[in-house]
Order: sequence, then C-alpha cells, then structure tokens
Amino acid sequence: EADIYQTPRYLVIGTGKKITLECSQTMGHDKMYWYQQDPGMELHLIHYSYGVNSTEKGDLSSESTVSRIRTEHFPLTLESARPSHTSQYLCASSDYSEAFFGQGTRLTVV
Amino acid sequence: AQKITQTQPGMFVQEKEAVTLDCTYDTSDPSYGLFWYKQPSSGEMIFLIYQGSYDQQNATEGRYSLNFQKARKSANLVISASQLGDSAMYFCAMREGGSQGNLIFGKGTKLSVKP
Repeated sequence: EADIYQTPRYLVIGTGKKITLECSQTMGHDKMYWYQQDPGMELHLIHYSYGVNSTEKGDLSSESTVSRIRTEHFPLTLESARPSHTSQYLCASSDYSEAFFGQGTRLTVV
Repeated sequence: AQKITQTQPGMFVQEKEAVTLDCTYDTSDPSYGLFWYKQPSSGEMIFLIYQGSYDQQNATEGRYSLNFQKARKSANLVISASQLGDSAMYFCAMREGGSQGNLIFGKGTKLSVKP
C-alpha cells in the first residue's frame, strides 16, 4: 500500500495569492516528482528530486518552485497564482520497482 | 520522438471479457522499467503493475498481466474478466537507467466497460 499523501485535495484560490501544495511519503524513497495534468490528458513532469537538497526542473516549464529539506517532504509553491495555473498536480515517489502517487491536488485559480 | 506510445485513445470491452491495452516504448538503455497505472474519474493514479527490462517472466498482479515483448519494445496490459469498475484512463510509463531515472508517460487509453 502506498504511503504518500497530498494536501489539500481541492483548492480554490484568488489570483495573486501564494500557495503551497504539500506532499509527504513515509516509504523512504529518495526520488520524488511533481506532475501537472489537465483532465483526461497526459502527465507533464514539472519538478523532480533525487534526495535531500536536490531539486530539478522537469520537461514542462513551470512558474512553481519546490524544496526538499527532508526525505519525506516535497512541497510545491506558487508565489503568485494565476488562472493559467488551474490544473491537477500529482506528487509521486519511487524506488526501483515501484512508483506511487498521492491523491492529487485539484487547483482552481479564479 | 515519443518515448511511450499508446495508440488507442479509447477502447470498449464487454463486462467479463478480457482486454489488451497497447503500449510501445523507445529506449536504447538496457536497464529500464515499465509501469502501468489506472486513473479513475476521481483523478488519483493507481499503480497496477511493474516489469523490469531484465525480468524473464511476464509480470502478473491479480487480473492484470503485462505482455512484455522485449524485441518488439512492447509492454501491453491485459485485464482479464473486465469489471464495470475497470472503466478508467490507463497510462503506460517507462523509467530508464535504474531507480534514478524519471517516469515518462504515454498519453493514455480510456477504457469503457459495457454491462
């Protein structure tokens, strides 16, 4: 069973607000990811991390930032939310033969 | 070039029948892993099955099995005895270069199970 959690599950927020999407896992995985996905569409990698103090940008350019101060925690921050940021954000962690996702955060910026 | 190709945007299957969802991949790395996920309308990504490039046997997990044909670079998902609850999007993914590689996803196949 996957032990990876995202909060909040749903978020509606006004333009210009700063938001942080939380992601935590208790499986001890070093590798973690953030994906962005519009409904029914493919997943786009926006950030990943190899471990503590490692963060890298993914294939899709994103205005968000991430941090990895602890192995189990990989939060994503948007300094100033815009309607174009409306999407689902999925966090994942992986080991050699397994890769689990959190439940996702559906973000709506109004 | 697409690393993961899922050629079936949508599929229909009759309840209790078996269905095969296609996935082909492109890599020159001898070490890679292949994953399948189910995404219901609620949006979460559910891990179904994993196949390593060096695994000799096809992976199986309950009603899910992976038809791994290495020479053809294909990793099709077979769902036996389809159930209404199997209706969802299904994504194939690949990770190259061991546990540090990134998960690369296909565009997905929408499966609809008819009663």
